[in-house]
Amino acid sequence: LAKTTQPISMDSYEGQEVNITCSHNNIATNDYITWYQQFPSQGPRFIIQGYKTKVTNEVASLFIPADRKSSTLSLPRVSLSDTAVYYCLVGDNAGGTSYGKLTFGQGTILTVHP
Amino acid sequence: DARVTQTPRHKVTEMGQEVTMRCQPILGHNTVFWYRQTMMQGLELLAYFRNRAPLDDSGMPKDRFSAEMPDATLATLKIQPSEPRDSAVYFCASVLETDSQPQHFGDGTRLSIL
Repeated sequence: LAKTTQPISMDSYEGQEVNITCSHNNIATNDYITWYQQFPSQGPRFIIQGYKTKVTNEVASLFIPADRKSSTLSLPRVSLSDTAVYYCLVGDNAGGTSYGKLTFGQGTILTVHP
Repeated sequence: DARVTQTPRHKVTEMGQEVTMRCQPILGHNTVFWYRQTMMQGLELLAYFRNRAPLDDSGMPKDRFSAEMPDATLATLKIQPSEPRDSAVYFCASVLETDSQPQHFGDGTRLSIL
């Protein structure tokens, strides 16, 4: 199982762009990279997922270099409500026998200040 | 917006008592996961089911924990007898097993064993 490493915490201010980088040196060919957001007293919520290059949706962008050994979650113009824990996960989402063994690391605590 | 529903949201009981946590996966999702979250260990996968059959429960203490899916709309996680070290937030997640689909989480059951 690919292990992920991400910063324990980050601080930002409202309106700034935040980039959270995750290292996953042992990523396998079938593995996707998925990011979740978790607020207190709630379950993790899916943000974005990608396999390679760049993926963008209405809330974030995900940048994945060619070697796929890292990925960067980019949150444009954060607000106070983006204060949460962000998890980077690597795993096989394609229904194989390893499906479901997504390992959550400790996550990155993002604090957005006024 | 479809959601995973977990009951109860909070449970406080004395050690030795039986605890049953319930999860209603999103309608049509065929894969269900149970996770446990603590400050020390973070999010840990306990077990998961596909089409109601248990696929992997290696993360679950077998002597006191049991997980079942009586039908496609209900998953249960039972602890008997409960111990203080079982105090945690227990999350259920579900997904339709197709390529690169992210898991959808419920908001958890906060369990306190006194």
